[in-house]
Amino acid sequence: AIVLNQSPSSIVASQGEKVTITCRASSSISSNYLHWYQQKPGAFPKLVIYSTSYRASGIPSRFSGSGSGTSYSFTISRVEAEDVATYYCQQGSSNPPTFGSGTKLEIK
Amino acid sequence: EVQLVESGGGLVQPGRSLKLSCLASGFTFSNYGMNWIRQAPGKGLEWVASISSSSSYIYYADTVKGRFTISRDNAKNTLYLQMTSLRSEDTALYYCARQRLGARGPFDYWGQGVMVTVSS
Repeated sequence: AIVLNQSPSSIVASQGEKVTITCRASSSISSNYLHWYQQKPGAFPKLVIYSTSYRASGIPSRFSGSGSGTSYSFTISRVEAEDVATYYCQQGSSNPPTFGSGTKLEIK
Repeated sequence: EVQLVESGGGLVQPGRSLKLSCLASGFTFSNYGMNWIRQAPGKGLEWVASISSSSSYIYYADTVKGRFTISRDNAKNTLYLQMTSLRSEDTALYYCARQRLGARGPFDYWGQGVMVTVSS
């Protein structure tokens, strides 16, 4: 199974700050099958970015993604209070689908 | 509006069985692959099983293979997860999730989850 190493495991940021999360795969994956989810406290996960860089429906433009091969990143250009959540990367390039261990974003 | 509503969870003793259901609405259920994904308390997300739109392709995580069975009834817009020989490590919130863009696409809609607790 492809292991996704997500870093950092937690971030504390100020509102308006830029935040970047990295997801590194143990094997190369197709950028078509790397996705990012947001899970707010007490809620179910929500798709934010799919296929590396495409925003899901209704997702603000401050969220973006990039990457290829084994290295991917997720960026919030200007963090807002409502972005407090745990973010997960996920690969569907090979079975079984796997998730990163998550990055918890908190606001100062 | 797409909705996925799970049910069937609860407290069960180790070694016993439980069957989860996920009722879908707001989209053509028979056109989409579906998945079960679980989250142990305070932990991350773990994919459990997937089933293609016509049930032709079914896959399981190694941790549940041989114990869990995923199925669907397209006439009833319902996804199922039959869980047998339950273990304490199966304790988790179980989500059903729709998969778009084919078998390797993202999980674009999730249910609110149903809790399964395996304990004596």
